[in-house]
Amino acid sequence: DADVTQTPRNRITKTGKRIMLECSQTKGHDRMYWYRQDPGLGLRLIYYSFDVKDINKGEISDGYSVSRQAQAKFSLSLESAIPNQTALYFCATSDRLYYQPQHFGDGTRLSIL
Amino acid sequence: DAKTTQPNSMESNEEEPVHLPCNHSTISGTDYIHWYRQLPSQGPEYVIHGLTSNVNNRMASLAIAEDRKSSTLILHRATLRDAAVYYCILRGGGAQKLVFGQGTRLTINP
Repeated sequence: DADVTQTPRNRITKTGKRIMLECSQTKGHDRMYWYRQDPGLGLRLIYYSFDVKDINKGEISDGYSVSRQAQAKFSLSLESAIPNQTALYFCATSDRLYYQPQHFGDGTRLSIL
Repeated sequence: DAKTTQPNSMESNEEEPVHLPCNHSTISGTDYIHWYRQLPSQGPEYVIHGLTSNVNNRMASLAIAEDRKSSTLILHRATLRDAAVYYCILRGGGAQKLVFGQGTRLTINP
């Protein structure tokens, strides 16, 4: 089983719908992250969480919200999806020390029509 | 975030070594050098990281210049599965995000 699991892997939905992307990890890491990747571009940070009670906005948080239900679970919600939120979404985890690597899930491909 | 510079693309042959360069002339003393790769339709995968000394793991080796202004990721014996985009990233204290540049697209010929 993968250490970082994202569900669903693919989703097609309509403008205005509420969408939730889920991430769970078995690595025991405190820190979790949500990124999005657009074609030809690098990853951009949406939100990150240092633990269940510590959630922080990243560089592109507008239009998104998150929930850290447990150490192992971190969900990303699009309250009212719009077409320019069509992208690949990745969840990642890391240990506490800043130089430790991040470990990524396989991503959710989200299309908003 | 300190900037890294990598070639846009490189090509190599299967079973040969590959040396992927990265320049980071503005690196600070506490920046770690990280390498990730991203295979098609997958999330980024951690490869290796180091601070000053050369590092080896089961996937690759990382050679860091003495002045730390450049580094080289070495794949000792490339396979077709190593075809991916490779990213060199500097990770400093307080930086929560990984800044992925354009990376180097590595093609492996059979």
